[in-house]
Amino acid sequence: GQQLNQSPQSMFIQEGEDVSMNCTSSSIFNTWLWYKQDPGEGPVLLIALYKAGELTSNGRLTAQFGITRKDSFLNISASIPSDVGIYFCATNAGNNRKLIWGLGTSLAVNP
Amino acid sequence: GAGVSQSPRYKVAKRGQDVALRCDPISGHVSLFWYQQALGQGPEFLTYFQNEAQLDKSGLPSDRFFAERPEGSVSTLKIQRTQQEDSAVYLCASSLTSRTTGGYTFGSGTRLTVV
Repeated sequence: GQQLNQSPQSMFIQEGEDVSMNCTSSSIFNTWLWYKQDPGEGPVLLIALYKAGELTSNGRLTAQFGITRKDSFLNISASIPSDVGIYFCATNAGNNRKLIWGLGTSLAVNP
Repeated sequence: GAGVSQSPRYKVAKRGQDVALRCDPISGHVSLFWYQQALGQGPEFLTYFQNEAQLDKSGLPSDRFFAERPEGSVSTLKIQRTQQEDSAVYLCASSLTSRTTGGYTFGSGTRLTVV
């Protein structure tokens, strides 16, 4: 089936550092979504991308929809302790409203 | 309410027991989804409702899983004769329209442990 390959699997950084993570697939998609999940909570949408090449920011977060439509990256600048959590990429499977998800990138921030 | 509410937050079931998980979506939201999230994994789609109509149930893993949304608001996911592999967090999400492609609001989930 369709799979999203998310990397890195985990990151441990110092507060203030920038972070970059990405998501790739062998299939073309029309949507890329980035969610964050805190322990014991549901995922929260951070950024939604709907157009190839689109670059979108949300505060210290920036995400881009790859030109090939097969990848996306998420950058976090000047990380802070509350950035700790698991970051998931997700996409719609064609016209289907169901989402398929990567395995997540676990981020730990050392204050 | 202001968000998607799920209950119970935690459920421990003995193998073979039936369970029912409840989701209260945001008021007025048309679309409702159920996802299953195993430990260390991303969520996996189970089923989708548009109002009271179940339009996609392709992700339900077996006929032991059943979901309903009879009045187009509250939804219940029922698992019959639970097995250990059913242990997971069950997430509910809703969106305002049927045209939304990804901007879903998730609940905090129900963590089901089958012993």
